[in-house]
Amino acid sequence: DAGVIQSPRHEVTEMGQEVTLRCKPISGHNSLFWYRQTMMRGLELLIYFNNNVPIDDSGMPEDRFSAKMPNASFSTLKIQPSEPRDSAVYFCASSFQGNEKLFFGSGTQLSVL
Amino acid sequence: GQQLNQSPQSMFIQEGEDVSMNCTSSSIFNTWLWYKQDPGEGPVLLIALYKAGELTSNGRLTAQFGITRKDSFLNISASIPSDVGIYFCAGRMRSSNTGKLIFGQGTTLQVKP
Repeated sequence: DAGVIQSPRHEVTEMGQEVTLRCKPISGHNSLFWYRQTMMRGLELLIYFNNNVPIDDSGMPEDRFSAKMPNASFSTLKIQPSEPRDSAVYFCASSFQGNEKLFFGSGTQLSVL
Repeated sequence: GQQLNQSPQSMFIQEGEDVSMNCTSSSIFNTWLWYKQDPGEGPVLLIALYKAGELTSNGRLTAQFGITRKDSFLNISASIPSDVGIYFCAGRMRSSNTGKLIFGQGTTLQVKP
């Protein structure tokens, strides 16, 4: 298996622009998690899905952030409009049946100027 | 929110030395996991622990689930340069029935050849 695939690996954008991060979970995994990693706050869970349904989005910072999972093999995390404080590494992870053994993608390094 | 206290924050050791790090919480956890993150990559699962007192090894790595269920330890024996990276503990609270994990802040390990 190719593992969790995220794109793009790097994204540099200007403040106010829309950013879309993409994730393909491991085939057969039905739980998907979006995490954000910063030096100050470490790894923070933003949202997670079970069977394509958002279960807990309490970690989403504010309304500028939204996430979708239209099918079992694809999810997006969108930031609109982006701000410099959104600069971070965003990870997608998946697991089987909400199992605690998460498999992470390589992340998207986001820089908002 | 719930936090895990991971220590030490960083370590700089000589190749061949043993390493110990730990993670504590004020709440009871029913699962503890240890991840390693290499530069530019996502965390990779090293060891998962499910029972209080459990001691599990993965090569030169040994982790233990504390008896109180509020802590966990990771030991690395005879360190080598490729052990360099950030080690994260993660836990799932007893009240959780999902894969939602809480992560520690990480221990950065540097190994001098």
